[in-house]
Amino acid sequence: DAGITQSPRYKITETGRQVTLMCHQTWSHSYMFWYRQDLGHGLRLIYYSAAADITDKGEVPDGYVVSRSKTENFPLTLESATRSQTSVYFCASSESAGGGETQYFGPGTRLLVL
Amino acid sequence: GENVEQHPSTLSVQEGDSAVIKCTYSDSASNYFPWYKQELGKRPQLIIDIRSNVGEKKDQRIAVTLNKTAKHFSLHITETQPEDSAVYFCAASKVTGGGNKLTFGTGTQLKVEL
Repeated sequence: DAGITQSPRYKITETGRQVTLMCHQTWSHSYMFWYRQDLGHGLRLIYYSAAADITDKGEVPDGYVVSRSKTENFPLTLESATRSQTSVYFCASSESAGGGETQYFGPGTRLLVL
Repeated sequence: GENVEQHPSTLSVQEGDSAVIKCTYSDSASNYFPWYKQELGKRPQLIIDIRSNVGEKKDQRIAVTLNKTAKHFSLHITETQPEDSAVYFCAASKVTGGGNKLTFGTGTQLKVEL
């Protein structure tokens, strides 16, 4: 579990501000994912990445931007935060498809948008 | 896209009893079905998974069954203990060479009472 970390763990920001959530993994996993967790909705996929410089949208991508210049990092940016983006954000990684599907989650970032 | 429904949303059992959580999925091409346990304030952690070429899998007190025809799968926990109290999430995905995007159910809050 220590192989995937997120920062910050807690963040309070104001509507309209830009916020970047960081995710770092030390396993050299190919795939990385960002989820948001809200009561009543479970975990919903925001964006995912199959490798460095390859990203794609998930179920709820609006208002978010991602990049992946290095295999180990997958930052998530809220370009102009809104109150509806108050949530717990989890990053996850997996080795590959075809037997390496297990996704390992980071500890999460609790974001409050005022 | 895939849609996963999970029931019940809350489940209370006496210590030592069995607990069953059920999920249905919509995409018949889904072929990977993991279950995650999430304790309060913690990250989701994989407890068991099953692939579509298998009907049942067991790991000590935990078992998962899959009915591909009916498109449903279930988590069975026997001899429940207080430490089993947590939120459990089912998920489904279609694992391909392009990755593994999980669609989660909305979760079941399991409470094991002494």
